[in-house]
Amino acid sequence: NAGVTQTPKFRILKIGQSMTLQCAQDMNHNYMYWYRQDPGMGLKLIYYSVGAGITDKGEVPNGYNVSRSTTEDFPLRLELAAPSQTSVYFCASSYSLAALGNTIYFGEGSWLTVV
Amino acid sequence: EDQVTQSPEALRLQEGESSSLNCSYTVSGLRGLFWYRQDPGKGPEFLFTLYSAGEEKEKERLKATLTKKESFLHITAPKPEDSATYLCAVQARDFNKFYFGSGTKLNVKP
Repeated sequence: NAGVTQTPKFRILKIGQSMTLQCAQDMNHNYMYWYRQDPGMGLKLIYYSVGAGITDKGEVPNGYNVSRSTTEDFPLRLELAAPSQTSVYFCASSYSLAALGNTIYFGEGSWLTVV
Repeated sequence: EDQVTQSPEALRLQEGESSSLNCSYTVSGLRGLFWYRQDPGKGPEFLFTLYSAGEEKEKERLKATLTKKESFLHITAPKPEDSATYLCAVQARDFNKFYFGSGTKLNVKP
């Protein structure tokens, strides 16, 4: 099992450019999440998905879009990148809702800098 | 307003010097409180889940406890390999509400 795999690991974008952060999990988890972590701050939820074809907004969705066409993949799209989107992005997955005793498995992160 | 606050922001300990990290929370109906360890350049790694006041969990040199307003992560006789950022997260009655604290960066000197 590879777990949760994110690509790319590092990326520098220019203001106004667009890109997609890829996330894949091989644990057959229904729930997938995208978080961002700013320096010295906790993780904030951008979007989440409870299954293929179903996505919903988290705390900080503005400037991002997601899709979930398969159970395995949950890409995060940045449209018109802004300096405020400079952050570390973590994709995560869980079999069920975290509070039911299941752990959330995190990817290793994608470092994005917008200049 | 739902909120998670961790203290201190940073903690430096000598090897063997025990201490505690704090996570205080206000949330509408606690479903669970989670502790994670995060190493530099890595994603958070799950440590403990606590569900109700009075509950305790242990793993090696770490012990997590929970009250109605806060959780403590006690580190007994830490070693340099315990150096990491420790994150606390809470999940509210509404499952979609899952909040992380900003973490405590622990540095254990040999």
